[in-house]
Amino acid sequence: DAGVIQSPRHEVTEMGQEVTLRCKPISGHDYLFWYRQTMMRGLELLIYFNNNVPIDDSGMPEDRFSAKMPNASFSTLKIQPSEPRDSAVYFCASSLLRGSPLHFGNGTRLTVT
Amino acid sequence: DAKTTQPNSMESNEEEPVHLPCNHSTISGTDYIHWYRQLPSQGPEYVIHGLTSNVNNRMASLAIAEDRKSSTLILHRATLRDAAVYYCILRAPNNAGNMLTFGGGTRLMVKP
Repeated sequence: DAGVIQSPRHEVTEMGQEVTLRCKPISGHDYLFWYRQTMMRGLELLIYFNNNVPIDDSGMPEDRFSAKMPNASFSTLKIQPSEPRDSAVYFCASSLLRGSPLHFGNGTRLTVT
Repeated sequence: DAKTTQPNSMESNEEEPVHLPCNHSTISGTDYIHWYRQLPSQGPEYVIHGLTSNVNNRMASLAIAEDRKSSTLILHRATLRDAAVYYCILRAPNNAGNMLTFGGGTRLMVKP
């Protein structure tokens, strides 16, 4: 099992550019989560999906952020346009069932200049 | 989910046991106690969880107070690879989102 795979590992972009982060969950997992981690705010849940359907996006900071899960094996988090304050490490996680442990990827470190 | 309180940091010597405390005085009767850790430059990883009874697995042990208002994660022999931030999280069984809400955690430093 390869675990949760995120790409890219690092992303550096200029303010105003579109950024797309990608995630492949563990096969068979029904839940997928996007978290963001900064020094100031720690780990924050942005959005989660159950069976490819977005359930709670109340953590998404602004309309500039959007997430999709077109199928069970792929999800994207898009920021358009990006701003310097979006700089953070973005983690994707998946879990098998409700109540099961979450499995996290190694994150994408985003730097917006 | 109810709130937890953990020390910001702790130090340990290599090959000695480590006891990481967590206070959760507002825990409800059905909340599970979960522990995750985050190694440098990695995502969080699951360590252990329990409800009322003490729990053991290959990574650690979880000791839960009788009144459930506190718990302790026990690493029996700390290694340098155990240096990480440890998060204690309460998770309600009716947490429809299966979500985890992370607090600040305890940064564990292990000295050789």
